[in-house]
Amino acid sequence: GENVEQHPSTLSVQEGDSAVIKCTYSDSASNYFPWYKQELGKGPQLIIDIRSNVGEKKDQRIAVTLNKTAKHFSLHITETQPEDSAVYFCAASHPFGNEKLTFGTGTRLTIIP
Amino acid sequence: EAQVTQNPRYLITVTGKKLTVTCSQNMNHEYMSWYRQDPGLGLRQIYYSMNVEVTDKGDVPEGYKVSRKEKRNFPLILESPSPNQTSLYFCASSFAVNTDTQYFGPGTRLTVL
Repeated sequence: GENVEQHPSTLSVQEGDSAVIKCTYSDSASNYFPWYKQELGKGPQLIIDIRSNVGEKKDQRIAVTLNKTAKHFSLHITETQPEDSAVYFCAASHPFGNEKLTFGTGTRLTIIP
Repeated sequence: EAQVTQNPRYLITVTGKKLTVTCSQNMNHEYMSWYRQDPGLGLRQIYYSMNVEVTDKGDVPEGYKVSRKEKRNFPLILESPSPNQTSLYFCASSFAVNTDTQYFGPGTRLTVL
């Protein structure tokens, strides 16, 4: 089955700097890669996703890049703000069978004011 | 308001005492799923349901049961809870998995003594 590895597990950046979180996946059939943000005491919430026919996607200060050949994808947050502090999860799924999302182990991002 | 609700939010129980965690969604989603979240392990799928009366095991189904008698409800049943089931549980729903956002409930923190 699919295996998703996520790094780093914790990340601290100064407010205004950029943050990058990286994930690798094992199943070359995977074609959908969402990123979820989990704030303290809440359930995960989708912030951005990318499909395998696209190399990059941006939404304001957030971007995701995908390298299908290397089987890795990354989340980029620019001009970080205190409200970006949260746990971020990457995930992957493929269009067969259960189609379930396989999640990475999460990155706790702390923005230092 | 479109949402996934879970009850209870917090539960402390003892080994062997049957319990049910309820999950309900108001978005007419076909797909529903239960996850458990443990430190360092990310989100792992317990059970999922593609539609009413259709359920199947996820990655960590041992010790859990589910049912899907109505489209909106997907309860998680622990018939004989054990301490290793102490965890944070999330219910999620979506129209599909591979092509659609999963909406997560607020979580249920379960402690089994």
